[in-house]
Amino acid sequence: AQSVTQLGSHVSVSEGALVLLRCNYSSSVPPYLFWYVQYPNQGLQLLLKYTTGATLVKGINGFEAEFKKSETSFHLTKPSAHMSDAAEYFCAVSDPNQAGTALIFGKGTTLSVSS
Amino acid sequence: EPEVTQTPSHQVTQMGQEVILRCVPISNHLYFYWYRQILGQKVEFLVSFYNNEISEKSEIFDDQFSVERPDGSNFTLKIRSTKLEDSAMYFCASGAFYNEQFFGPGTRLTVL
Repeated sequence: AQSVTQLGSHVSVSEGALVLLRCNYSSSVPPYLFWYVQYPNQGLQLLLKYTTGATLVKGINGFEAEFKKSETSFHLTKPSAHMSDAAEYFCAVSDPNQAGTALIFGKGTTLSVSS
Repeated sequence: EPEVTQTPSHQVTQMGQEVILRCVPISNHLYFYWYRQILGQKVEFLVSFYNNEISEKSEIFDDQFSVERPDGSNFTLKIRSTKLEDSAMYFCASGAFYNEQFFGPGTRLTVL
């Protein structure tokens, strides 16, 4: 069975600092990987995804993530945090061999950005 | 840009009542999903729907729950007899390729 672990339920950074949100997965095959962001009282917005090909993927709002098979990781980074990045971030995986299958989410990381 | 819509945004109901949550997925998508998020917890999968039938469901999706695609655009989740523990945010999602899913804004269900 697949699972996702997000280390750190809460990460605090200063505006302009590097953002690093960690995600590790457990899966018998390399899964499809996703990062979603949830702003307060809103739905989930897809930030970026990895399916195949280049392991460094770029998403919206300046975020990027790198798939590292050897480390079973898909950490999310942004070089310079902005106040508007404060939100809940969810890493998710799905089975690449099952079309239309469910996403399995991690518990989420709350990002706080201070001025 | 096409988006998933959900109605109502907030539903308050008494324990034991039936509720129907509605969703309009993105029009050319093939897969439809319901997830829920209990306050402060992670997003949990309930059910997926493809080709007019349930393709996958979790252990949460028991006999109290049902889904329907009554016409070419709507996708509904019915909870037959609500319990206090059904209080949560319910998200509809739709997808086409690579299991990428687009989520609606959610319906906050409060069971009193």
